[in-house]
Amino acid sequence: SAVISQKPSRDICQRGTSLTIQCQVDSQVTMMFWYRQQPGQSLTLIATANQGSEATYESGFVIDKFPISRPNLTFSTLTVSNMSPEDSSIYLCSVEGLLGVPGNTIYFGEGSWLTVV
Amino acid sequence: LAKTTQPISMDSYEGQEVNITCSHNNIATNDYITWYQQFPSQGPRFIIQGYKTKVTNEVASLFIPADRKSSTLSLPRVSLSDTAVYYCLVGVAGGFKTIFGAGTRLFVKA
Repeated sequence: SAVISQKPSRDICQRGTSLTIQCQVDSQVTMMFWYRQQPGQSLTLIATANQGSEATYESGFVIDKFPISRPNLTFSTLTVSNMSPEDSSIYLCSVEGLLGVPGNTIYFGEGSWLTVV
Repeated sequence: LAKTTQPISMDSYEGQEVNITCSHNNIATNDYITWYQQFPSQGPRFIIQGYKTKVTNEVASLFIPADRKSSTLSLPRVSLSDTAVYYCLVGVAGGFKTIFGAGTRLFVKA
């Protein structure tokens, strides 16, 4: 299995500011994703983080609002820009495809809980 | 991507067997069925995955009929700590994004 560390785990942010969430995996993985989960709701996929190229965003999410980086096979960041209270949510990093390990189980980090005030 | 339909919530008592059924009528030939468990304020955790017939591990069993248009997650002898949201996911194994449905909120009572 993979160990996924997210930072910060929790933060309170001021309206209009931006925050970058980091996701570090203890193994090289082929796929990394970012999800958002609003209180009481299911997970919504924001984007697929592509190594060395621009992320692939889902409908309703844009790069200007959620810039994503993935410089290597073990690390990615998600920035939530110009935050508003509607961005208060849990942001989850997930990975799939551990290099050298058969199977395709998806693993999730513990999430980063953001509250925008 | 195949859409899934699950009951919104279920109640059970400690020691009972719980079966959660998921419908996925437009499942594709290459799709696998995967179940995840999520506790409050935690990321989802992999429970079990299968393609057809029956799969069993130390945590649960997964029953998939021949037409694969549905699947049933079976949790034997649940405890209070099994209270969580359970997600049924359908997708191609390896390298593709995963779309979550609404999930089933299981409440286990003493």
